[in-house]
Amino acid sequence: GQQLNQSPQSMFIQEGEDVSMNCTSSSIFNTWLWYKQDPGEGPVLLIALYKAGELTSNGRLTAQFGITRKDSFLNISASIPSDVGIYFCAGRLMVGAGSYQLTFGKGTKLSVIP
Amino acid sequence: EAQVTQNPRYLITVTGKKLTVTCSQNMNHEYMSWYRQDPGLGLRQIYYSMNVEVTDKGDVPEGYKVSRKEKRNFPLILESPSPNQTSLYFCASSPYRITEAFFGQGTRLTVV
Repeated sequence: GQQLNQSPQSMFIQEGEDVSMNCTSSSIFNTWLWYKQDPGEGPVLLIALYKAGELTSNGRLTAQFGITRKDSFLNISASIPSDVGIYFCAGRLMVGAGSYQLTFGKGTKLSVIP
Repeated sequence: EAQVTQNPRYLITVTGKKLTVTCSQNMNHEYMSWYRQDPGLGLRQIYYSMNVEVTDKGDVPEGYKVSRKEKRNFPLILESPSPNQTSLYFCASSPYRITEAFFGQGTRLTVV
């Protein structure tokens, strides 16, 4: 299957700081997605990106679909304690008529120090 | 409330004893899928279904079966569980052509 490299694996930041994480791949994707997973819960979709170059915001979160279609980044501005969790990127690729494959990165574990 | 419901949330079983993890969604979504989540490996897709009676293998289908007889339900079947299937399992659903929007709360399976 496809491989996604998500970095960093983990980060500790002070409350109020901005955060940046990214995903890269050797493969081209049609869609990039960003999810957040809280402990004991399933991932929750944060942002979906459908076109190369697209920049989309959701509150303090901003994500971009890379021009090459092989990468994406997620920024969180002015972090707060509830931003703690694991953030996953995912790339979607059409693999056949009406069929597609979704590949997840291994996640970025974010810790916010009050 | 729109949701994806998995049952059970926790399950401990013995090697070789067939089990089924149920998944149900109340949003009339066409697309449903199953993932397993393991430390250091992230989320890996087991099977997915584009609609009723249409299923396909994901990245790690070995040892699993699925069925999609009704739109709302997508059970995951382990005919003969083995310890390497100990994992956290998630079901997800979404409208057609839009990727996973809703995940269930997960089923933590331990096979001893």
